[in-house]
Amino acid sequence: AQKITQTQPGMFVQEKEAVTLDCTYDTSDQSYGLFWYKQPSSGEMIFLIYQGSYDEQNATEGRYSLNFQKARKSANLVISASQLGDSAMYFCAMRGVVTGGFKTIFGAGTRLFVKA
Amino acid sequence: EAGVAQSPRYKIIEKRQSVAFWCNPISGHATLYWYQQILGQGPKLLIQFQNNGVVDDSQLPKDRFSAERLKGVDSTLKIQPAKLEDSAVYLCASSLVPGGDEQYFGPGTRLTVT
Repeated sequence: AQKITQTQPGMFVQEKEAVTLDCTYDTSDQSYGLFWYKQPSSGEMIFLIYQGSYDEQNATEGRYSLNFQKARKSANLVISASQLGDSAMYFCAMRGVVTGGFKTIFGAGTRLFVKA
Repeated sequence: EAGVAQSPRYKIIEKRQSVAFWCNPISGHATLYWYQQILGQGPKLLIQFQNNGVVDDSQLPKDRFSAERLKGVDSTLKIQPAKLEDSAVYLCASSLVPGGDEQYFGPGTRLTVT
């Protein structure tokens, strides 16, 4: 069975510092995708970054980078130079294969608080 | 490009009543998803459509939930009869292709069952 685990219910970071949000996953698929989404208090899910299981380089998108360690089955999100607007829920997700297509499962999320 | 549209944004009903949510995906997106997000949890996939066919509905409580995507465009999710535990945000998302790198989410419908 596929599973996503986010063990940090809440995290605090000082503005302008970097923060790492943890995500581990479990799957027997050889090909899969890993995602991070941000959900502000407004409720809308915002795509941040994607990493394919065969990608050798860690994905980066602006201030976001994904620290992908395949052997450890971890896909941590690193946010550099935190901003007050980064305060939100962050969800790790995995896309795996099901009969007839693909299926995405989400972790429970980590709430990030950025302090001024 | 217009985003994923959902309506209504908020709905309050009593238990045992019925309710329907509507979603219009981004134009051209073949895959449409309905998620249920209970407060404090991550989204849980209820049903996934590829055009107007169902790819996965393994977590849809079929005794009370139903969904359709006529003509492979917009979609309706219905709950009948509603239970207290159905109180949640119902998110609709779409992607260009089934294994697309990114799902685009709508603003969600917040359902409260009293």
